Amino acid sequence: AQSVSQHNHHVILSEAASLELGCNYSYGGTVNLFWYVQYPGQHLQLLLKYFSGDPLVKGIKGFEAEFIKSKFSFNLRKPSVQWSDTAEYFCAVRSGSGNTGKLIFGQGTTLQVKP
Amino acid sequence: NAGVTQTPKFRILKIGQSMTLQCTQDMNHNYMYWYRQDPGMGLKLIYYSVGAGITDKGEVPNGYNVSRSTTEDFPLRLELAAPSQTSVYFCASRRESGYTFGSGTRLTVV
Repeated sequence: AQSVSQHNHHVILSEAASLELGCNYSYGGTVNLFWYVQYPGQHLQLLLKYFSGDPLVKGIKGFEAEFIKSKFSFNLRKPSVQWSDTAEYFCAVRSGSGNTGKLIFGQGTTLQVKP
Repeated sequence: NAGVTQTPKFRILKIGQSMTLQCTQDMNHNYMYWYRQDPGMGLKLIYYSVGAGITDKGEVPNGYNVSRSTTEDFPLRLELAAPSQTSVYFCASRRESGYTFGSGTRLTVV
């Protein structure tokens, strides 16, 4: 069965620090990859997604992620975080085969940015 | 365009009670999903539907039922509420590559 693993459960950074959140998945076929953000009390919002093409994907709010197929990874990065980036971040994978579109989510990473 | 609408936003149930979480989308999406979100566990798929009249189990279907009589509506039913069903529930719909999530229902079973 597919699974998604996020290595960092709780990350605390100061403003302007660089961010990298790890995400690994276990599926050998074609996958679509997503990063979602959930601000306190809100629903999930899409940060970025990868389907094919350039493995370096740029999303909203200065976030980017790199798909490394050989490592089954899709790590999220941001060069300089802001206090407003405090949120929970979820990596998600969808199998490229079939058309049910089920998303499998990682456990989530809580990011706390100190002003 | 309201997107995905979930009601209620909050609910407290007693053990053994039943309730229906409503989910409606106005985007004519065929695919709809119910997830539950628990701290440190991410989101787990409960049930999903690929179109009206078609539903299937996800990762954690026990204790829940769904129906999909129309494209717009995908209600989630809890028949005998248990404390383990205390969670935040999210409904989502999809067309092509894009997913839209509802704002969630926070359910507490006491």
